[in-house]
Amino acid sequence: LAKTTQPISMDSYEGQEVNITCSHNNIATNDYITWYQQFPSQGPRFIIQGYKTKVTNEVASLFIPADRKSSTLSLPRVSLSDTAVYYCLVALSGGYNKLIFGAGTRLAVHP
Amino acid sequence: SAVISQKPSRDICQRGTSLTIQCQVDSQVTMMFWYRQQPGQSLTLIATANQGSEATYESGFVIDKFPISRPNLTFSTLTVSNLSPEDSSIYLCSVDSLGGQRTSGGETQYFGPGTRLLVL
Repeated sequence: LAKTTQPISMDSYEGQEVNITCSHNNIATNDYITWYQQFPSQGPRFIIQGYKTKVTNEVASLFIPADRKSSTLSLPRVSLSDTAVYYCLVALSGGYNKLIFGAGTRLAVHP
Repeated sequence: SAVISQKPSRDICQRGTSLTIQCQVDSQVTMMFWYRQQPGQSLTLIATANQGSEATYESGFVIDKFPISRPNLTFSTLTVSNLSPEDSSIYLCSVDSLGGQRTSGGETQYFGPGTRLLVL
């Protein structure tokens, strides 16, 4: 399973765009890039997944360059409620595969 | 949408005792997973539980310490045995697909709220 590397922590202010970059140099052909969000005292929550180029949903955007060795989670106009830990994972396709969590990025949004 | 619940939500236990954590899903799922999250740390996978077969444990976790049951497609239990203060953690269950419907693409899991265990 490909190992991921992301910043340990980030700080931002309300209304700003936040970009969290994750490195996954050993990503395999069948791997997807998945991001989870975890609030204190809650289980992780799936937020977005992509294979290549750009994916956007109501929560975030995910940018993946052509070589797929990194990805960037973009949170537009963050609010205080976006304060959480964000995990980047590389997840195999095909179903019923275990997830390996890295250290995650602790995002603090300030007023 | 489907709901994943865990019982108890938290507990305080004495060393040497055991705690059994229940995970209930309101729809049938194929795979269930158990994780441990120590204070301030990331999640570590303990084992994978498939209905009708023995759980598959990750390196560093053994069945004697973490016995798991998976009696049907909506329920699983994790027991943490012979508790010591080092077992103080949050224990989370997750499921592979809700309502039996897998989405295309990469692996996606849905997590319960966790059980916070403190061992004195």
